[in-house]
Amino acid sequence: AQSVTQLDSQVPVFEEAPVELRCNYSSSVSVYLFWYVQYPNQGLQLLLKYLSGSTLVESINGFEAEFNKSQTSFHLRKPSVHISDTAEYFCALGQGGSEKLVFGKGTKLTVNP
Amino acid sequence: DAGVIQSPRHEVTEMGQEVTLRCKPISGHNSLFWYRQTMMRGLELLIYFNNNVPIDDSGMPEDRFSAKMPNASFSTLKIQPSEPRDSAVYFCASSPRTGRRDTQYFGPGTRLTVL
Repeated sequence: AQSVTQLDSQVPVFEEAPVELRCNYSSSVSVYLFWYVQYPNQGLQLLLKYLSGSTLVESINGFEAEFNKSQTSFHLRKPSVHISDTAEYFCALGQGGSEKLVFGKGTKLTVNP
Repeated sequence: DAGVIQSPRHEVTEMGQEVTLRCKPISGHNSLFWYRQTMMRGLELLIYFNNNVPIDDSGMPEDRFSAKMPNASFSTLKIQPSEPRDSAVYFCASSPRTGRRDTQYFGPGTRLTVL
């Protein structure tokens, strides 16, 4: 069965520091992966996604994630965070042609001044 | 586009009452998903539809839950009778195409509290 593990439930960092949010997955078939972000009292919004091709994917606001098949990981990184990046981040896994996504439990990123 | 619209945004009800949550997907989207989010279990897929047809309802917790999609622009999730353990945030999401690796667009959610 497919599953997604987000190893850290909470990550506090200072503004302008680098951050990495970890995501590992389990699946026996080809996968595609997403990172979604949820700001307080809002729905989830797509941050970035890996479908195929280049293993490094980037978002418009400076986040990037690298698909690593051998390590079954899709970690999210940003070299310098802002206060406005404070939110909860969800890693999600889909496989094959299915539309179903399996979400991780989420990581709450808190950026402190 | 207005995005996915959900109503109500907040619902407080008493145990045993019927609750109906509503969703309007983005115009032109063919797939619609209902999720439940709780602290304990995270985000769980309850059911999804393609072209108004339920495809997978394996996540529906029990017979008290039912979902319908009478047309391409409207879906409901009903809980009857409601119980305190149903308290959660319920999200509706839609995506453009069937069977593709498309982004799901989420609504703002309905926060349900069952007393």
